[in-house]
Amino acid sequence: GDSVTQKQGQVTLSEDDFLFINCTYSTTTYPTLFWYVQYPGQGPQLLLKVTTANNKGISRGFEATYDKGTTSFHLQKASVQESDSAVYFCALVPLSGSFNKLTFGAGTRLAVCP
Amino acid sequence: GPKVLQIPSHQIIDMGQMVTLNCDPVSNHLYFYWYKQILGQQMEFLVNFYNGKVMEKSKLFKDQFSVERPDGSYFTLKIQPTALEDSAVYFCASSLGGNQDTQYFGPGTRLLVL
Repeated sequence: GDSVTQKQGQVTLSEDDFLFINCTYSTTTYPTLFWYVQYPGQGPQLLLKVTTANNKGISRGFEATYDKGTTSFHLQKASVQESDSAVYFCALVPLSGSFNKLTFGAGTRLAVCP
Repeated sequence: GPKVLQIPSHQIIDMGQMVTLNCDPVSNHLYFYWYKQILGQQMEFLVNFYNGKVMEKSKLFKDQFSVERPDGSYFTLKIQPTALEDSAVYFCASSLGGNQDTQYFGPGTRLLVL
């Protein structure tokens, strides 16, 4: 079945540090890839969505490139702020065989210290 | 962005009782979803619903679970009877389209079964 792997459970950075969150995926079809962010007490919010291989999604200073060759969709940000502290989920929806069912990774908790 | 509301935010019940979780989706959305997140674990798909029917469900969607959206009102998840392992946060989501369309999530209902 479909799966999404996020190897980092927790990332701790200082403000203005570079952020890199690892995400790889496995699916038999051509998926759409997402990054969702979840703040305490809230539901996940869409951060990025990319539907086409080799394309890059950019939002609020975050970016991720859909790499079909390495089946990866790593999240990056050049300079994090304390307000970026949250849990980040990588997710996919396959092109076919599913009625828009999201498969999530385990999430990466980002803590940014001032 | 579009808002999904969930009522109640918290619910504590005794094992064996019935519980109904309510979701008020984005007003013009046509596809509805429930996801389950056990504390410290990843979010997992339960079910999706369109045009009055369940389109797809996971193995987590046990026989004791049911969903409906009577007359365009709340989209509900009913669990009858509840079990200890049903304790989790349940997130509702909705989307306008069903083909890899972005899902918007509510803040979740925290269910504790004693």
